[in-house]
Amino acid sequence: GAVVSQHPSRVICKSGTSVKIECRSLDFQATTMFWYRQFPKQSLMLMATSNEGSKATYEQGVEKDKFLINHASLTLSTLTVTSAHPEDSSFYICSARAKSSYNSPLHFGNGTRLTVT
Amino acid sequence: AQSVTQPDIHITVSEGASLELRCNYSYGATPYLFWYVQSPGQGLQLLLKYFSGDTLVQGIKGFEAEFKRSQSSFNLRKPSVHWSDAAEYFCAVGEGGYQKVTFGIGTKLQVIP
Repeated sequence: GAVVSQHPSRVICKSGTSVKIECRSLDFQATTMFWYRQFPKQSLMLMATSNEGSKATYEQGVEKDKFLINHASLTLSTLTVTSAHPEDSSFYICSARAKSSYNSPLHFGNGTRLTVT
Repeated sequence: AQSVTQPDIHITVSEGASLELRCNYSYGATPYLFWYVQSPGQGLQLLLKYFSGDTLVQGIKGFEAEFKRSQSSFNLRKPSVHWSDAAEYFCAVGEGGYQKVTFGIGTKLQVIP
């Protein structure tokens, strides 16, 4: 089956530094990738949608300068949390879709636990 | 805007007992509905989906769900729960299929021996 690899699985960084999270589709080409944020005991909140080769579309309330998304190839999307603060600590999950058709399923990575100290 | 309500945040069942997890949705058009399962520290795995056709859909791991338009519900069921089913379950509604998926808050399932 389709596999999405997310790296790192866990990262601890100091306040003010930047952290990059990678999301790779291992055995398919992902035309679209999605980035979610999950707070404890809450649902996944869609942060942004990225299509290969174009700028990401951010959801309302998500700071695009804070959360930089790059989808430079059909197998890789990155999320960079810039100037991280403790309130950015969360579980970040990516998902990828092979085609743009409505019934092309989402494949999820295993998530990244970010802790900002 | 589409939305999903999962009224039960935490459910505990005995192993071997039946299970029903509730889900209500709000969506203006024909909904695309999903159930996902998440184990601790993991991503999400699709259990089943409803796009059209038969309102009773079968999924993996012995799960099924029934779409009831009149009640705007898509409840997940399993006749006999196994200890390995302990996880968090998310109901979701998609706009245009998988184009934009909105998740419910999740129901955490605990299975006791």
